[in-house]
Amino acid sequence: DVKVTQSSRYLVKRTGEKVFLECVQDMDHENMFWYRQDPGLGLRLIYFSYDVKMKEKGDIPEGYSVSREKKERFSLILESASTNQTSMYLCASRSRDSSYEQYFGPGTRLTVT
Amino acid sequence: GIQVEQSPPDLILQEGANSTLRCNFSDSVNNLQWFHQNPWGQLINLFYIPSGTKQNGRLSATTVATERYSLLYISSSQTTDSGVYFCAVYNTDKLIFGTGTRLQVFP
Repeated sequence: DVKVTQSSRYLVKRTGEKVFLECVQDMDHENMFWYRQDPGLGLRLIYFSYDVKMKEKGDIPEGYSVSREKKERFSLILESASTNQTSMYLCASRSRDSSYEQYFGPGTRLTVT
Repeated sequence: GIQVEQSPPDLILQEGANSTLRCNFSDSVNNLQWFHQNPWGQLINLFYIPSGTKQNGRLSATTVATERYSLLYISSSQTTDSGVYFCAVYNTDKLIFGTGTRLQVFP
């Protein structure tokens, strides 16, 4: 079974803090993704990575950066957290070989106060 | 961009009832997935179904790509089926999510 894990289920941070959200997958997938989910807005793509050290902006990259130093790990960074970044963050991975199927982690519910 | 619409937006069922959820998409797509988001927020893969019909226990799905829709059937619903059901389609490399159907199953 594909497993995608995220470092925290719940996180509370203060405005201005630097925040790291970690995602790890164990299936040797090349592609990894970060989404945020907000009521009424659905899931929106923040960043994705085709492979190690590669990154592409998604639909809402402002205020975020990412790091992919190892194939299994994809980190989302909030350089200076703001209250409008309070959200549910979901990580996903996918093999680029035969199937487009994406697998999601359990999510991190981040609150910025 | 591609629009993905799901219907109905909300569905309330009594345990044991059957239901059909619909997903319409506005343009040709490469592939399609159905997910169940449980009350804790996790997105669980139900089907990866670019075309045709698949079945997994009480759930089945059909995608008619040429007519730009997919259907998810839930039979003999259980309270654990409650949550939000999303379809998502691929546009090149990006997954575009539908608006979701919120299902509540009561005993």
